[in-house]
Amino acid sequence: NAGVTQTPKFRILKIGQSMTLQCTQDMNHNYMYWYRQDPGMGLKLIYYSVGAGITDKGEVPNGYNVSRSTTEDFPLRLELAAPSQTSVYFCASSERQGYGYTFGSGTRLTVV
Amino acid sequence: KNEVEQSPQNLTAQEGEFITINCSYSVGISALHWLQQHPGGGIVSLFMLSSGKKKHGRLIATINIQEKHSSLHITASHPRDSAVYICAAGFGGNQFYFGTGTSLTVIP
Repeated sequence: NAGVTQTPKFRILKIGQSMTLQCTQDMNHNYMYWYRQDPGMGLKLIYYSVGAGITDKGEVPNGYNVSRSTTEDFPLRLELAAPSQTSVYFCASSERQGYGYTFGSGTRLTVV
Repeated sequence: KNEVEQSPQNLTAQEGEFITINCSYSVGISALHWLQQHPGGGIVSLFMLSSGKKKHGRLIATINIQEKHSSLHITASHPRDSAVYICAAGFGGNQFYFGTGTSLTVIP
């Protein structure tokens, strides 16, 4: 049982480039989340989804986009990368609202 | 404002000691999570509670709704407990607000 799989684990981007962080879960969870973790700060919610076709903004959505075409996949798109987006990104899923999070292993992104 | 504060920020303990990590929040919550982040970065959910107390092995989580406070206790601490412990509070809706974490080091 793979749980939540994130790729890539590490990435260096140049300012202005774009990329997609992939997230896949195999637990048939309806709820999925993207968080960023900055040094000395708590995890901040970027976007979340309550089911296929439904997404909503979290606390820090600017500069990001998401889609949820299937229950399994919840990719996070960065357009026009900026140094402020240097962070560790975590994808998570849960069976129902706020219950029993399962986290991916994280993606460490550096924008230079 | 939805705020979550943890204390202490850093904690060093000798193996075998009883450890307490605290989490306080600003307004009423729907649920509170305790998470463990390993030195390698992976995050594991330990507990979700909305009232009372939960126990799993050497870990105990309590919450006092009236005082807006939760504690995570570790009994008979071990070096493998060294990690960052994070609390997250849900104030209704789909968002949880995370504390900045308590970094625990248990020395043999």
